[in-house]
Amino acid sequence: GQNIDQPTEMTATEGAIVQINCTYQTSGFNGLFWYQQHAGEAPTFLSYNVLDGLEEKGRFSSFLSRSKGYSYLLLKELQMKDSASYLCAVYNTPLVFGKGTRLSVIA
Amino acid sequence: DTGVSQNPRHKITKRGQNVTFRCDPISEHNRLYWYRQTLGQGPEFLTYFQNEAQLEKSRLLSDRFSAERPKGSFSTLEIQRTEQGDSAMYLCASSLEAGGNEQYFGPGTRLTVT
Repeated sequence: GQNIDQPTEMTATEGAIVQINCTYQTSGFNGLFWYQQHAGEAPTFLSYNVLDGLEEKGRFSSFLSRSKGYSYLLLKELQMKDSASYLCAVYNTPLVFGKGTRLSVIA
Repeated sequence: DTGVSQNPRHKITKRGQNVTFRCDPISEHNRLYWYRQTLGQGPEFLTYFQNEAQLEKSRLLSDRFSAERPKGSFSTLEIQRTEQGDSAMYLCASSLEAGGNEQYFGPGTRLTVT
């Protein structure tokens, strides 16, 4: 079976740091992706982890623990434009997506 | 712009009608994926192609749905005898073959069945 869990909604303040968690139980695993999706738009790629550890890319970092079936996306120095849905997806040819976490950044 | 393109962007149809969507992937990408997304949900996989071969179809893909990629370039997704439950955003994505290569998504086709 395929099960990917992430919080439905989160709210954070501009300039702060937020961590979005994702846990997964899937029949196969070839890596984990994070995508950002603004309302009414297509998902855009943020990060990819295939090995355990932290991947950093500017204000965004993503962490993976394969033994725990766990990942998180860390967003630093939040900006209003970061208000969007964040999708965790396991790559198992094809991508298996969670339902997404809707992040609201407030002033 | 050399990204993934989809046409039409919006489609309103009456229940029972057939509809066809087109996806043009990034030119050097040999994998092409179709997903469906409803409000408040993540995209759900429908089917994918490697070149012109359709390699996998989801159980979500009823026999009313058919997809083709005849020359390994653009793809079409047809829905026959549409139902109100087919109303969704249909997303196309493409990637280079295999591995954890990033899938690039098109803008989607929003289907409304009345």
